[in-house]
Amino acid sequence: QVQLQESGPGLVKPSQTLSLTCTVSGGSISSGSYYWSWIRQPAGKGLEWIGRIYTSGSTNYNPSLKSRVTISVDTSKNQFSLKLSSVTAADTAVYYCARYTYYYGSGSYYLDYWGQGTLVTVSS
Amino acid sequence: EIVLTQSPDFQSVTPKEKVTITCRASQSIGSSLHWYQQKPDQSPKLLIKYASQSISGVPSRFSGSGSGTDFTLTINSLEAEDAATYYCHQSSSFPLTFGGGTKVEIK
Repeated sequence: QVQLQESGPGLVKPSQTLSLTCTVSGGSISSGSYYWSWIRQPAGKGLEWIGRIYTSGSTNYNPSLKSRVTISVDTSKNQFSLKLSSVTAADTAVYYCARYTYYYGSGSYYLDYWGQGTLVTVSS
Repeated sequence: EIVLTQSPDFQSVTPKEKVTITCRASQSIGSSLHWYQQKPDQSPKLLIKYASQSISGVPSRFSGSGSGTDFTLTINSLEAEDAATYYCHQSSSFPLTFGGGTKVEIK
């Protein structure tokens, strides 16, 4: 069974760049029809989709964050990463990495696996 | 952007009662609507995919229905372990979006 694990600094200073990595185990990140995604959740609030990447490098980002977000993939390490620049306190949240799986019945993708999440606090 | 509006925001329910949560999309999304359960300090878990399709390992008391803009998650005979926040999520168009969540409390 696939497992996803986020890693990275838990504290980032305002105006700096938040960097997180998701390590995928239990299967190759390149196998199958999957997208790999980042989602965040401020404390006590709902879920916000940040973006996703296919192993070809193709990406889609949330327009609300697009100017600050970069998602990349390293298939040799079975990892994908998130960079969010110019962070402010509003970026403080639990960040989840997750997997979208292609469903042939509908010709689209659905989110089936999540990492445990990692709290990132933006503070000086 | 497709806005998903869940109702109610909060529900306090007695065990064995039936729970109904609705999710309304601001425009038609076909059946590309999925339901997740999130317990405190845990990551969300997939309950139902494509509006009504069951997921292996999820208890049969969870079911979903709907298409287009109106969707429903039903929990038949609520159990104590079902205390959680439930989210709907659309994968029809970018940016992908989530509903605001419905917190289910056990009386």
